[in-house]
Amino acid sequence: NAGVTQTPKFRVLKTGQSMTLLCAQDMNHEYMYWYRQDPGMGLRLIHYSVGEGTTAKGEVPDGYNVSRLKKQNFLLGLESAAPSQTSVYFCASSPPGTGGSRQFFGPGTRLTVL
Amino acid sequence: QQQVKQSPQSLIVQKGGISIINCAYENTAFDYFPWYQQFPGKGPALLIAIRPDVSEKKEGRFTISFNKSAKQFSLHIMDSQPGDSATYFCAAKSGGTSYGKLTFGQGTILTVHP
Repeated sequence: NAGVTQTPKFRVLKTGQSMTLLCAQDMNHEYMYWYRQDPGMGLRLIHYSVGEGTTAKGEVPDGYNVSRLKKQNFLLGLESAAPSQTSVYFCASSPPGTGGSRQFFGPGTRLTVL
Repeated sequence: QQQVKQSPQSLIVQKGGISIINCAYENTAFDYFPWYQQFPGKGPALLIAIRPDVSEKKEGRFTISFNKSAKQFSLHIMDSQPGDSATYFCAAKSGGTSYGKLTFGQGTILTVHP
């Protein structure tokens, strides 16, 4: 069991460039989440999904899009990166029946936008 | 708006001492209060959690104290060890069993000196 994996681990973008972050989980979890972590701000929810083919906005969704075409994968896209999107991004998943209580996090992707 | 306020932002404790981290919330719909532990370069991992129908939960050296009337909860780490040095996040969940979004506190960087 690899758990929750994230690709890539690091990335540097120029303002205006686009990229996609991939999250994969092999635990057959229904719920998946994307967070960003910034110093002094904790973890803030960007988007989440309660099942294959469904997505919803979280606390800070502007500038991001997501897709959940397969149950095991949750993609986070930045269409036109901005310096304010410099952050560490974490993906998480949660099994059904827990209401999202227990979340398993990936190792993170450190993104720098110049 | 920050629905879960965490303090202190950083904490330095000597080995063998007690570490105490506090959180306060406003939303009375929260029904689950977990603490996550994050080591540098890693994703957060669930440490311990409590539901509002109990006032205390202990797991080894880690204890959550919960005060429903004051809308506050705290993490106590007894006999703190250098290996406990990490960032700790409190969180709160609402939404019942169908779906729950975790709202995180700002995080506390704990350093335990040998």
